Amino acid sequence: EVQLLESGGGLVQPGGSLRLSCATSEITSNKYALAWVRQAPGKGLEWVSVISSGTGSTNYADSVKGRFTISRDNSENTLYLQMNSLRAEDTAVYYCAKMFCTDTSCNFFDYWGQGTLVTVSS
Amino acid sequence: EIVMTQSPATLSVSPGERATLSCRASQNVKSNLAWYQQKPGQAPRLLISGASTRATGIPARFSGSGSGTEFTLTISSLQSEDFAVYYCQQYDNWPRTFGQGTKVEIK
Repeated sequence: EVQLLESGGGLVQPGGSLRLSCATSEITSNKYALAWVRQAPGKGLEWVSVISSGTGSTNYADSVKGRFTISRDNSENTLYLQMNSLRAEDTAVYYCAKMFCTDTSCNFFDYWGQGTLVTVSS
Repeated sequence: EIVMTQSPATLSVSPGERATLSCRASQNVKSNLAWYQQKPGQAPRLLISGASTRATGIPARFSGSGSGTEFTLTISSLQSEDFAVYYCQQYDNWPRTFGQGTKVEIK
C-alpha cells in the first residue's frame, strides 16, 4: 500500500526558504508520479507541482514557478519541495500526493499524505 | 486555466436523505473529472474518477454523473460519516484545478 508522510513545515519569514519532505512507502524505480497540493487555511485545494516517474520531468503552478523546486530521491524513497522567496500567500497545509497516471498523462490524486503546515509571517 | 465552480457552497441535509452536488467547468473537460471528500483535519480522499467510476472501497451510495461541463455527485442516503466538504477536480488540462468545495452539513 502506498503511504506518504510529510515533514518540514513550520514558521518562516517572508522572503525566506523552507524544504518540505515526503517519505513514501513505495517509490521504487521511479514507479509513481508524485505531486504537492496545498490548502490555505479555510480555503480550497490548489495543485502546486508534479514530478513524473521515469524521466523526472516537472511542472509547476504559475503561482510558484521560479520560486519552488520539486525533486525526488529514489534511493531514499523521498519527495522534496524546495520553497524559496516565500510569501504570506504561500501559507497553507502542503499535501504530498501520488498521481494516477496513464501512458499519456497524470490525472488525479489517488493517495494523500496527512499534510504539513507552512506559515509565512513576520 | 479551467475554472471549476461548485454549487451550492453549503448543503444542509438530514441523515438518510439524498444529497446532490454540482460542479461546472469553464470549458469542456470530457469525462476527465474526479471527486474528493475531505473531513476536518484530514487529507482529501478520492471518491470518483472518470466522472462516474468509484475508487476502491467507496460505498455504492456515492455516484457521479455528467460529462463536458456539467457534473453531479449524488449521495443516495447520507450517513453520519458523509458530512464533509466535497471537491471536484478536472484533469483534462494543466494546471489541474479544483472547485472551491461544497460543505455538506447536518440539517
